[in-house]
Amino acid sequence: NAGVTQTPKFQVLKTGQSMTLQCAQDMNHEYMSWYRQDPGMGLRLIHYSVGAGITDQGEVPNGYNVSRSTTEDFPLRLLSAAPSQTSVYFCASSYSGQETQYFGPGTRLLVL
Amino acid sequence: GQSLEQPSEVTAVEGAIVQINCTYQTSGFYGLSWYQQHDGGAPTFLSYNALDGLEETGRFSSFLSRSDSYGYLLLQELQMKDSASYFCAVKTGGFKTIFGAGTRLFVKA
Repeated sequence: NAGVTQTPKFQVLKTGQSMTLQCAQDMNHEYMSWYRQDPGMGLRLIHYSVGAGITDQGEVPNGYNVSRSTTEDFPLRLLSAAPSQTSVYFCASSYSGQETQYFGPGTRLLVL
Repeated sequence: GQSLEQPSEVTAVEGAIVQINCTYQTSGFYGLSWYQQHDGGAPTFLSYNALDGLEETGRFSSFLSRSDSYGYLLLQELQMKDSASYFCAVKTGGFKTIFGAGTRLFVKA
């Protein structure tokens, strides 16, 4: 099992550019989530999904879109990057009814 | 609003015991989790408490008091490799999890 994988590991964008952060898991988990981590602020939930075709907003959804067409994949799209979106992004997955979230290695994003 | 409060830093000596506290104020509560994160790494799950009391997993224990909206993580027989950030997290309604800002633990020789 590869667990939760994320690509790319690092990315530099210019303000206004768009991009998609990829997340995939091979554990057949129903739940998947996207978090951003900024210094001193812990992890903040952006969007989450409880199954294929079902997504919902977290604490900080503005500027981000998600979709869940398959159980395995949960991409995060930045529509028009802003410097405030400079952060480390983590994808996580878990089984329905279990509390353990498995995190991917993260994507470090710098928006200039 | 929703908030989780935990100390920003804790320092302890190798072999000692350290307790990291977490108080929470959330609109819903299903349980309290703890995660460990080493610098540059991903968070990893340590423990979960849904009911009051103490849960023990090896050198780590976690406690919850729902009436006090309070929990703690207890690390025993500290090792240098325990130097990391520790996050408490509350599962609220709607399958959401809210994380605290994290406590940075420094273990000294």
